[in-house]
Amino acid sequence: GDSVTQMEGPVTLSEEAFLTINCTYTATGYPSLFWYVQYPGEGLQLLLKATKADDKGSNKGFEATYRKETTSFHLEKGSVQVSDSAVYFCALIDGGNQFYFGTGTSLTVIP
Amino acid sequence: DTAVSQTPKYLVTQMGNDKSIKCEQNLGHDTMYWYKQDSKKFLKIMFSYNNKELIINETVPNRFSPKSPDKAHLNLHINSLELGDSAVYFCASSHSPGGRQETQYFGPGTRLLVL
Repeated sequence: GDSVTQMEGPVTLSEEAFLTINCTYTATGYPSLFWYVQYPGEGLQLLLKATKADDKGSNKGFEATYRKETTSFHLEKGSVQVSDSAVYFCALIDGGNQFYFGTGTSLTVIP
Repeated sequence: DTAVSQTPKYLVTQMGNDKSIKCEQNLGHDTMYWYKQDSKKFLKIMFSYNNKELIINETVPNRFSPKSPDKAHLNLHINSLELGDSAVYFCASSHSPGGRQETQYFGPGTRLLVL
């Protein structure tokens, strides 16, 4: 079945450090891939998405490229801020009725 | 205006009680979902409704019963609450069920604590 695997957290970085959160997927079809972010005490919000191979999603300085050959969708940001502290979820949907979420990666950015 | 709203935001109750959580979306979406998030932030889908009809019913105890009076509302009723039901419950909606362009919009969550 379809699934998403994220790197385990928690991740702690200093402000302005480079961020990578790894995400790989398994899917039978051609999924769309998403990153959602959950700030403390809030619901999930869409951060970015990519719907086909080689697409790059980007938002708020975050980027992720859909790599079909490595079945990956790693999240990157060049310079993190304290306000980026949150839990990040990788997810996919393959045209069926269900999203598949990763287990979430907690990021803490310290000043 | 809140796109997906849930009430209550916090719910503290005793074991064995029956409680309901309400969800409303004003996005005009056809599909709504309930997710459970445990203390480790693991997110698990419970139910999905499309135009008031159940389309996903994952393996959850039958103490959990969703009800969709119209496509803008999906309520979750829980009978005989147990300690293990303590979690954050998120409602979400999307334009249609699945489809490669779909984005889900989440409510703020209901934090349920069973004592």
